[in-house]
Amino acid sequence: ETGVTQTPRHLVMGMTNKKSLKCEQHLGHNAMYWYKQSAKKPLELMFVYSLEERVENNSVPSRFSPECPNSSHLFLHLHTLQPEDSALYLCASSQTQGSGANVLTFGAGSRLTVL
Amino acid sequence: GQNIDQPTEMTATEGAIVQINCTYQTSGFNGLFWYQQHAGEAPTFLSYNVLDGLEEKGRFSSFLSRSKGYSYLLLKELQMKDSASYLCAVMDSNYQLIWGAGTKLIIKP
Repeated sequence: ETGVTQTPRHLVMGMTNKKSLKCEQHLGHNAMYWYKQSAKKPLELMFVYSLEERVENNSVPSRFSPECPNSSHLFLHLHTLQPEDSALYLCASSQTQGSGANVLTFGAGSRLTVL
Repeated sequence: GQNIDQPTEMTATEGAIVQINCTYQTSGFNGLFWYQQHAGEAPTFLSYNVLDGLEEKGRFSSFLSRSKGYSYLLLKELQMKDSASYLCAVMDSNYQLIWGAGTKLIIKP
């Protein structure tokens, strides 16, 4: 496979559940990102990993927990979410982090619905 | 604060030309990006401008004026497959991407 792959594509969970989103990239990129996309709102950067180290955490609630076991895989662990967390969660990767022409390659996203 | 403004929705006719504007106020500037996102799909990179002027890439062109904090994406010979959301993003002085909310483009036959 090439590009950025996200699973599952759709997830429905209750507020007391624990679930995880998975992202995989086969592009040889060194940086990976989690974004939240809500309707008619700008993309919200949640976490950034560069060379498997977390370099950014944009004041995201602790009910979201990222994990980057290696440069090709990124997880977002979810627990005790709220209905307002329902959104499309996009994973992206890039060759480097913190440079000008830093083109992101996105996955198709995981559509999360919290009941 | 930092801000990116772009129209929420635009409608155009197949075969015509459409211009999607983006204005920005950011702390510094390290380039402006345009991405295309079809419904239910991943955003995909269209263009990157860091110097003033027009960059042409097939039917799509992107223009930048840093002094005016302004960019536009020009789509020519519109096709139905161009129906999508177009996202404008600016990289600030800290190399953080500031995103607009996107412009939904509807193409009518």
